[in-house]
Amino acid sequence: GAVVSQHPSRVICKSGTSVKIECRSLDFQATTMFWYRQFPKQSLMLMATSNEGSKATYEQGVEKDKFLINHASLTLSTLTVTSAHPEDSSFYICSAQTGAVQETQYFGPGTRLLVL
Amino acid sequence: AQSVTQLDSHVSVSEGTPVLLRCNYSSSYSPSLFWYVQHPNKGLQLLLKYTSAATLVKGINGFEAEFKKSETSFHLTKPSAHMSDAAEYFCVVSDSNNNDMRFGAGTRLTVKP
Repeated sequence: GAVVSQHPSRVICKSGTSVKIECRSLDFQATTMFWYRQFPKQSLMLMATSNEGSKATYEQGVEKDKFLINHASLTLSTLTVTSAHPEDSSFYICSAQTGAVQETQYFGPGTRLLVL
Repeated sequence: AQSVTQLDSHVSVSEGTPVLLRCNYSSSYSPSLFWYVQHPNKGLQLLLKYTSAATLVKGINGFEAEFKKSETSFHLTKPSAHMSDAAEYFCVVSDSNNNDMRFGAGTRLTVKP
């Protein structure tokens, strides 16, 4: 089946530093990738949608200069949290799909970010 | 825009008894509907999906869901709960005109021995 990986699975960083999270589709080409954020005991909130080779589309209220998304290939998307602050601590989850409308999204295992 | 409401934030059942997790949706277009399960500190796993084919959808691990357009519902059921079913369950809706998936708030399923 379709497998999506994320790296790292957990990261701890100091306030003010930047953190990069990778999302890879291992056995299929992902035209579209999505980034979600999940706070403790809450549902997933879509942050942005990225199509390979294009600029990401951010949801309302998500700062594009703070959460940099790059989707340079059909198997890799990266999310960089710039100048991280403690309030950025969260569980970040990516998903990938082939791009057809209503095609199933396959989710990565998530990355837990803790900013001290 | 599409949205989904999970009617119960927490459901507790005894092992071996039926499971019912309720979900109602709102969509302007023909929706696709999904149920995902999330175990603690893990990613989401697709249980099943409905995409305008058969209204009764069978998924993995014995779960199934029925799409009822008249009731705008997509409830998840399982005849007999297993301890390993304890997890968080998310109902998700996607409109036919875009790829945006909107998640419900989630239902935490607890299974008692």
